[in-house]
Amino acid sequence: AQSVTQPDIHITVSEGASLELRCNYSYGATPYLFWYVQSPGQGLQLLLKYFSGDTLVQGIKGFEAEFKRSQSSFNLRKPSVHWSDAAEYFCAVALDSNYQLIWGAGTKLIIKP
Amino acid sequence: GAGVSQTPSNKVTEKGKYVELRCDPISGHTALYWYRQSLGQGPEFLIYFQGTGAADDSGLPNDRFFAVRPEGSVSTLKIQRTERGDSAVYLCASRETGVNEQFFGPGTRLTVL
Repeated sequence: AQSVTQPDIHITVSEGASLELRCNYSYGATPYLFWYVQSPGQGLQLLLKYFSGDTLVQGIKGFEAEFKRSQSSFNLRKPSVHWSDAAEYFCAVALDSNYQLIWGAGTKLIIKP
Repeated sequence: GAGVSQTPSNKVTEKGKYVELRCDPISGHTALYWYRQSLGQGPEFLIYFQGTGAADDSGLPNDRFFAVRPEGSVSTLKIQRTERGDSAVYLCASRETGVNEQFFGPGTRLTVL
């Protein structure tokens, strides 16, 4: 079945430490790939997206993600997290240019001071 | 400019009642999406409008759910005979034609008692 998997329900990292959030998808072709962040009381905000080309994409707030076709993965990274990064992060895919999004279950990021 | 707005922000209703949830997209955005986010889960696609017409309603869970967008701008999601399982945050997003990013509203939290 077609799906998006975020294997970590929550992750705790210390402020200033590096971060990697995992995302895997199961589709026959390469979908359009997105990472969104949802902070308490805030709407979903797009961090970055991948459609084609360079497999390392840069986003807002210092985030980047790398697409690996062989692993069907699109992991999100940040070299040094800040307390303000505490939020829930969602990986999503779109299968065509209508861009209906199929979402992972999310990973809640907790920052230790 | 103004973003996507949704009203009400919170709606509490009793089982069996009828509810309407409203979405005001960003002006000029022709594509409009509804998603439902249950507690602890990622959003789930419900329906996609291109202009006034529902281009894809495959995500509507059953015939108690219906959505309209009569003038190609504001959309209303209608739920008949609400059930406790309908409790969730209902998210609306809009997108400009030719642009591959959706902009999300803050959501309407629906609670069915």
